[in-house]
Amino acid sequence: DVKVTQSSRYLVKRTGEKVFLECVQDMDHENMFWYRQDPGLGLRLIYFSYDVKMKEKGDIPEGYSVSREKKERFSLILESASTNQTSMYLCASKPRGGSGGYTFGSGTRLTVV
Amino acid sequence: AQKITQTQPGMFVQEKEAVTLDCTYDTSDQSYGLFWYKQPSSGEMIFLIYQGSYDEQNATEGRYSLNFQKARKSANLVISASQLGDSAMYFCAMREPSGGYQKVTFGTGTKLQVIP
Repeated sequence: DVKVTQSSRYLVKRTGEKVFLECVQDMDHENMFWYRQDPGLGLRLIYFSYDVKMKEKGDIPEGYSVSREKKERFSLILESASTNQTSMYLCASKPRGGSGGYTFGSGTRLTVV
Repeated sequence: AQKITQTQPGMFVQEKEAVTLDCTYDTSDQSYGLFWYKQPSSGEMIFLIYQGSYDEQNATEGRYSLNFQKARKSANLVISASQLGDSAMYFCAMREPSGGYQKVTFGTGTKLQVIP
């Protein structure tokens, strides 16, 4: 069964901490994405990557960075966590080309206190 | 302007009845794709159905069908014979060209509750 795995289901961090959210996929997909989901706002794209060591800003990249050193792993980094980054974070992947949908992970619910 | 609009924050449907979830979109591109995802309370987004802008037939996947009306820019999801397990959030999404890449934008979602 193909999977996108997010390392933590729930995470509580303090304001100012550096936070790493990890995402691993086992489908050899080229494209990977990080979204945050907030009630009433739907999913908003933070960053995406179309290849190893490649990254592109999405709609709301401020306060975030990403790393893609290996094809299967895409990390989201909060350099200095703030309370307004409390949210559900969803990772997704997709093969290059084709018309199929994304495969999503189960999400990480991050609370910054 | 919103790229994807879902005007129904919440809906109820009786078990075994059909239900339509509304979605309108806004794009000036000729080539685009439309998706529906289901998000149960567990949190994982599940891909349901896809419609390409050049597809002449409405997409169907089991009990799911996408009512694609290109001129009206609508892509409504129809679930036939609702089941209790269909209770979830449903998101409409659109993929379109953006700066040399394909960008996907999601709507704000509709919470569907199936009543026994």
